Amino acid sequence: GENVEQHPSTLSVQEGDSAVIKCTYSDSASNYFPWYKQELGKGPQLIIDIRSNVGEKKDQRIAVTLNKTAKHFSLHITETQPEDSAVYFCAARTQGAQKLVFGQGTRLTINP
Amino acid sequence: DTGVSQDPRHKITKRGQNVTFRCDPISEHNRLYWYRQTLGQGPEFLTYFQNEAQLEKSRLLSDRFSAERPKGSFSTLEIQRTEQGDSAMYLCASSLAGTVGQPQHFGDGTRLSIL
Repeated sequence: GENVEQHPSTLSVQEGDSAVIKCTYSDSASNYFPWYKQELGKGPQLIIDIRSNVGEKKDQRIAVTLNKTAKHFSLHITETQPEDSAVYFCAARTQGAQKLVFGQGTRLTINP
Repeated sequence: DTGVSQDPRHKITKRGQNVTFRCDPISEHNRLYWYRQTLGQGPEFLTYFQNEAQLEKSRLLSDRFSAERPKGSFSTLEIQRTEQGDSAMYLCASSLAGTVGQPQHFGDGTRLSIL
């Protein structure tokens, strides 16, 4: 079955700098890759997603890139702000399946 | 769009007791999913419904676990004879069905603590 690896497990950046979180997946049949942000005591909140027919997608300060050949995808956050501090999860879904397989999460801390 | 609602938010119970959680999906969503999240880990898939039909169950879902969605709207997840290892956050998500996969939207979960 699908396996998703996420790095780093913790990331600390200065406010205003950029943050990058990387994920790799194992199943070449995976075709949908969402990113979720989870704050303390809350459920995961979808922040951006990308499908396998697209190499990059951007939404204001957030962008995701996908390299299907290498089977990895990355989340880029620019001009980080204190409210970006949270745990971020990547996930992958195999074509024809419904379940999401999640990475282990990255705790992002933005230092003022 | 009121979001996915889960009840209760917290449940503390003694080992061996039965517990039931409820999930109300986003109103027009016909797919509903249950995940379990332990501390420091990503959510793990348990099961999903399309309308009232339970279409997939994970091997994580032992015979002590049962989920229902009787009218294709809200869903319940019951755990019988709870064990220490059942302590976790139980998350519900919902989505629309479609030819192209639709995003899953999560509720804030029910945190279960087994004493």
